[in-house]
Amino acid sequence: AQSVAQPEDQVNVAEGNPLTVKCTYSVSGNPYLFWYVQYPNRGLQFLLKYITGDNLVKGSYGFEAEFNKSQTSFHLKKPSALVSDSALYFCAVRDGRGYQKVTFGIGTKLQVIP
Amino acid sequence: ETGVTQTPRHLVMGMTNKKSLKCEQHLGHNAMYWYKQSAKKPLELMFVYSLEERVENNSVPSRFSPECPNSSHLFLHLHTLQPEDSALYLCASSQGQGFVDTQYFGPGTRLTVL
Repeated sequence: AQSVAQPEDQVNVAEGNPLTVKCTYSVSGNPYLFWYVQYPNRGLQFLLKYITGDNLVKGSYGFEAEFNKSQTSFHLKKPSALVSDSALYFCAVRDGRGYQKVTFGIGTKLQVIP
Repeated sequence: ETGVTQTPRHLVMGMTNKKSLKCEQHLGHNAMYWYKQSAKKPLELMFVYSLEERVENNSVPSRFSPECPNSSHLFLHLHTLQPEDSALYLCASSQGQGFVDTQYFGPGTRLTVL
């Protein structure tokens, strides 16, 4: 069975500071990993994904994520947070073997403080 | 906008009513999805359609009935719902249905069952 964990319900960071939103996963095969963001009253928007290749993945709006196989993590990062980054962030994973659906985490609320 | 629209955006219904949610994608994708989003819970995949055929049904109660008349439209027909069915219902589409391709989400329908 595959699973994903987002250990923090909420992350607070001051504007201009670096931010990290944590995600760990569990799959049997090689993972496909995704980050989505949800702004208030909106659907989820794709940020970035890791399928294979470089461990550091760059995505939309200046976000990036680092795939760490030994720690089974895929943390989302941004060097300098903006107030407009305040939103709900979802990590998702899919086992690369065979046909599997994507499993989403429960989400982490990011609050960027002016 | 992601190219996926949902109507209505808000719906309040009694337990004996029959209503339908509509989703339309303008992206030329061939797979469409229904998800249920409840507070503090992971996104729950309900149905997947690929090339207008249902390929996944995650043990969803029969009071939810999907319909996919063509690759651009997806409906979720609702009848005799329960209060615990109150949630945000999200529609998504992707080019493939293998869950490697990025999913594009609509803004959702906020459903309240009285």
